[in-house]
Amino acid sequence: RKEVEQDPGPFNVPEGATVAFNCTYSNSASQSFFWYRQDCRKEPKLLMSVYSSGNEDGRFTAQLNRASQYISLLIRDSKLSDSATYLCVVKNWAGTALIFGKGTTLSVSS
Amino acid sequence: GAGVSQTPSNKVTEKGKYVELRCDPISGHTALYWYRQSLGQGPEFLIYFQGTGAADDSGLPNDRFFAVRPEGSVSTLKIQRTERGDSAVYLCASSPPAPLAGGTTDTQYFGPGTRLTVL
Repeated sequence: RKEVEQDPGPFNVPEGATVAFNCTYSNSASQSFFWYRQDCRKEPKLLMSVYSSGNEDGRFTAQLNRASQYISLLIRDSKLSDSATYLCVVKNWAGTALIFGKGTTLSVSS
Repeated sequence: GAGVSQTPSNKVTEKGKYVELRCDPISGHTALYWYRQSLGQGPEFLIYFQGTGAADDSGLPNDRFFAVRPEGSVSTLKIQRTERGDSAVYLCASSPPAPLAGGTTDTQYFGPGTRLTVL
């Protein structure tokens, strides 16, 4: 079983749609969780950290369920500029490395 | 300010050759990481430096891969006897020191990567 698993998509949605991405992780000792965004042929960039209480940043909401080892990202009112690959990321138990999922591709069309 | 820079941006080499990839982290960042990203995959951890020393090299795939950071700033990833399967984008990231000694902050800042193609 891969350490971080996510549905690769692609998700094709119209502008204004709400879309949700899900991710599971295998190591219950993991302490830090993130969503990164990666545009085509660019480097990954931190979108947001994910906390147990859930957190929101504008149109983006991230949730963490430690019992189920499940992480989610909700994007409301999708924009064309949201088109990218969204990477679910867990910090390893030693705190020395990020473990990435394969990424979920989102395409927002007008 | 300046971000993480990596050179070259693209490198094409022949099977069996030796290559060096360079990373300049953000000034003041004590932690430096190397990752490798193959097509359609997420980045895969290779090695982590805290200062000059490799604190975790568990991700290096075999002994053809080696990395150094002699002065605690610039790092070089070295690949000997390259193979076609080494073709990937090699990403470098850095992070600032944590408020408490000995740790790192969670946020890693990535460079644009070096696209390595082994023919």
